[in-house]
Amino acid sequence: QKEVEQNSGPLSVPEGAIASLNCTYSDRGSQSFFWYRQYSGKSPELIMFIYSNGDKEDGRFTAQLNKASQYVSLLIRDSQPSDSATYLCALSRGDKIIFGKGTRLHILP
Amino acid sequence: GAVVSQHPSRVICKSGTSVKIECRSLDFQATTMFWYRQFPKKSLMLMATSNEGSKATYEQGVEKDKFLINHASLTLSTLTVTSAHPEDSSFYICSASDQGTWQPQHFGDGTRLSIL
Repeated sequence: QKEVEQNSGPLSVPEGAIASLNCTYSDRGSQSFFWYRQYSGKSPELIMFIYSNGDKEDGRFTAQLNKASQYVSLLIRDSQPSDSATYLCALSRGDKIIFGKGTRLHILP
Repeated sequence: GAVVSQHPSRVICKSGTSVKIECRSLDFQATTMFWYRQFPKKSLMLMATSNEGSKATYEQGVEKDKFLINHASLTLSTLTVTSAHPEDSSFYICSASDQGTWQPQHFGDGTRLSIL
């Protein structure tokens, strides 16, 4: 099993709808979880980070962490065309950050 | 917020040239920086962990003699691609954090390297 798994997509969501991005991980010892957004040709930018079980909300974004089931999700409410990008799930493992391969999100106008 | 500056943003050079890429943390000290490589439409691949004052830790399959990393100060790490060839053409990105890997990494803007 890969350390961080994401569906590569593309995930197509109508504008204004909720986009749901999911990520599973294999190491139960992982403590910190991150969601990054990457536009084509650009470097990743941090969207959310979460350490504790439950939900963490920031504007239109909500990160959800369930350590027992080993998954992290990102919800994007009121999706906008500018949200179209690749979303990278990442976690810290010791002295490294492990990234998933990313999910391509396409918001349909 | 924490800012990581990466320079140059784009390099085009002939095969056989060595290219140096700089990664600076502008408003914080970073004992550890990370170097990534990303091919078009592919995932981010960790190349090496750059440690201030000591040797870099390279990921499996990354040639340490090909990709020289120097982390001479708490705010600067450099990646030198030696004797670059067309297959080294890629997007190189560095990242750093002021509080270790348990806090979010801050990424530089990346360097697009094109070897002719």
